[in-house]
Amino acid sequence: SQQGEEDPQALSIQEGENATMNCSYKTSINNLQWYRQNSGRGLVHLILIRSNEREKHSGRLRVTLDTSKKSSSLLITASRAADTASYFCATDYHNNNDMRFGAGTRLTVKP
Amino acid sequence: DSGVTQTPKHLITATGQRVTLRCSPRSGDLSVYWYQQSLDQGLQFLIQYYNGEERAKGNILERFSAQQFPDLHSELNLSSLELGDSALYFCASSVGLAGNTGELFFGEGSRLTVL
Repeated sequence: SQQGEEDPQALSIQEGENATMNCSYKTSINNLQWYRQNSGRGLVHLILIRSNEREKHSGRLRVTLDTSKKSSSLLITASRAADTASYFCATDYHNNNDMRFGAGTRLTVKP
Repeated sequence: DSGVTQTPKHLITATGQRVTLRCSPRSGDLSVYWYQQSLDQGLQFLIQYYNGEERAKGNILERFSAQQFPDLHSELNLSSLELGDSALYFCASSVGLAGNTGELFFGEGSRLTVL
């Protein structure tokens, strides 16, 4: 079964705008991770935030985590056409150390 | 290049057949995960191995089985194939158990088409 759910399912923005994607999950976690997938390719890890962290930055990425609401958000600032991809959140499931993924947000950045 | 190798990249077969997908994890990684991704869908977790032992099981069908060998490579066996089994099958590896040690490294997937 899925662990996380991303929102929105699809997002279309203009180059230079910011993109925000949200993820909700169901169980307690050790960490939450965000991944990117270009069409039909393997997923690439973007950023990991641990359950005791509230915010993390990596380049143009900003991730927040609210464990009380069991939710996370991924912000991509100053988006580029090359950011067009699907973005997935993943959490360890029931602290079992296997990673479960949501259905993803498909981001389209128009030049 | 993630360092995770999956073969074959593409596979076309008929209903009722059996196929084996192979995964070589990154050097030094002990955990292997298998995921199924149907067209434009999320990733469904199938099964996880750590250092040769099964550690977690997802919604893996009884027609599917997997194992991790002493050299840490893994194989996913799909039998009595149905049209609905057509999907991208991903293997991922990590150093340890993902909740403790972090990111997964994904292969490029094996695209299975069942006709």
